[in-house]
Amino acid sequence: GQNIDQPTEMTATEGAIVQINCTYQTSGFNGLFWYQQHAGEAPTFLSYNVLDGLEEKGRFSSFLSRSKGYSYLLLKELQMKDSASYLCAVWDGDYKLSFGAGTTVTVRA
Amino acid sequence: GAVVSQHPSRVICKSGTSVKIECRSLDFQATTMFWYRQFPKQSLMLMATSNEGSKATYEQGVEKDKFLINHASLTLSTLTVTSAHPEDSSFYICSARGTSGDYEQYFGPGTRLTVT
Repeated sequence: GQNIDQPTEMTATEGAIVQINCTYQTSGFNGLFWYQQHAGEAPTFLSYNVLDGLEEKGRFSSFLSRSKGYSYLLLKELQMKDSASYLCAVWDGDYKLSFGAGTTVTVRA
Repeated sequence: GAVVSQHPSRVICKSGTSVKIECRSLDFQATTMFWYRQFPKQSLMLMATSNEGSKATYEQGVEKDKFLINHASLTLSTLTVTSAHPEDSSFYICSARGTSGDYEQYFGPGTRLTVT
């Protein structure tokens, strides 16, 4: 089966930076996604990495190291609205998307 | 951007009854649709994958006779929970993917099912 690990919870202060790590072991790899999910809502797409390196998109950046089975999502200049669950998901060799359990980020004033 | 809708957003049904959830791609044709289930504070678990016009492929441990999936057109897939039990209470989310070259899955807003 697929194994995707990420921390359960993180807390940070408004304006700060938070890094959410994700490690994965999957049968095949066709890319890694990060999604944001607010309580009771569907996930919304944040980023997709298939090659090693850093992808920057505004306040959010995502990094991938395929050899280490590792990714992180970096949230900069945190805002209260960034309080949500962040899901790491891997597209395996069959193009099935498997999700980690999610990291709940709480932003405090 | 691509929009996926789900109906209903919330449903309460009695134990033993069946409930149907619709998933529609509003502005694109979805060759593949996915159904997920999410329990509180847990990950999204893939239940099944459906391709238009063919039978759904169910994940291990998901009862195909209990969770009936129909992908009758390129814009509509339905999930019917038959003989619902309280343990089926969950958040059901569908997602859709367009052409094979498009890696992104577009998620619906989810359906909260409560079985009493």
